[in-house]
Amino acid sequence: DAGITQSPRHKVTETGTPVTLRCHQTENHRYMYWYRQDPGHGLRLIHYSYGVKDTDKGEVSDGYSVSRSKTEDFLLTLESATSSQTSVYFCAISETLRPSGELFFGEGSRLTVL
Amino acid sequence: EDQVTQSPEALRLQEGESSSLNCSYTVSGLRGLFWYRQDPGKGPEFLFTLYSAGEEKEKERLKATLTKKESFLHITAPKPEDSATYLCAVEGSGGSNYKLTFGKGTLLTVNP
Repeated sequence: DAGITQSPRHKVTETGTPVTLRCHQTENHRYMYWYRQDPGHGLRLIHYSYGVKDTDKGEVSDGYSVSRSKTEDFLLTLESATSSQTSVYFCAISETLRPSGELFFGEGSRLTVL
Repeated sequence: EDQVTQSPEALRLQEGESSSLNCSYTVSGLRGLFWYRQDPGKGPEFLFTLYSAGEEKEKERLKATLTKKESFLHITAPKPEDSATYLCAVEGSGGSNYKLTFGKGTLLTVNP
């Protein structure tokens, strides 16, 4: 199994509070991704990173920011959480950007915003 | 815009009863079609990549095939441990940014 650790695994928070999810990898892969998974939707990309301090937006990036200061860590921040951000968040990694779909996913972080 | 539709949404089989899952897609220039397996409470696990029509990939009881409009995941003589949600995703060549489009998945249940 790919060495990907997400923390926290479960979090309940109040609307308007900041939240940071952490993804840590031990594979030394260059590319890291944050996805969200919601009932009735496929997995949707929030942000991705192609190197330290190099990040780009995905299709549902509004309300989210990311940072990558080290190869192994990719942080996802919700500056002011809203109920629409209640979801399961998955971090993924890959060695290359192409083929883009050969991703290794973490176990997920379930976030509930009340 | 790239689209992926998976059918059926849910499938219940008896152990040993072979069947197929469908992934229909529309994409501007297919770069790759990907299959994943996801167990409850876990992250998706990569299974296969298919690049062009006519290509096939196999792994144990699973075989993935690809045409210009759809992909099938054939499950031969399934076992209860094959129960999971199977996800399909495509990457098209349209647009400059990285984009992978996932389907909503097929929930497969194999009863002993």
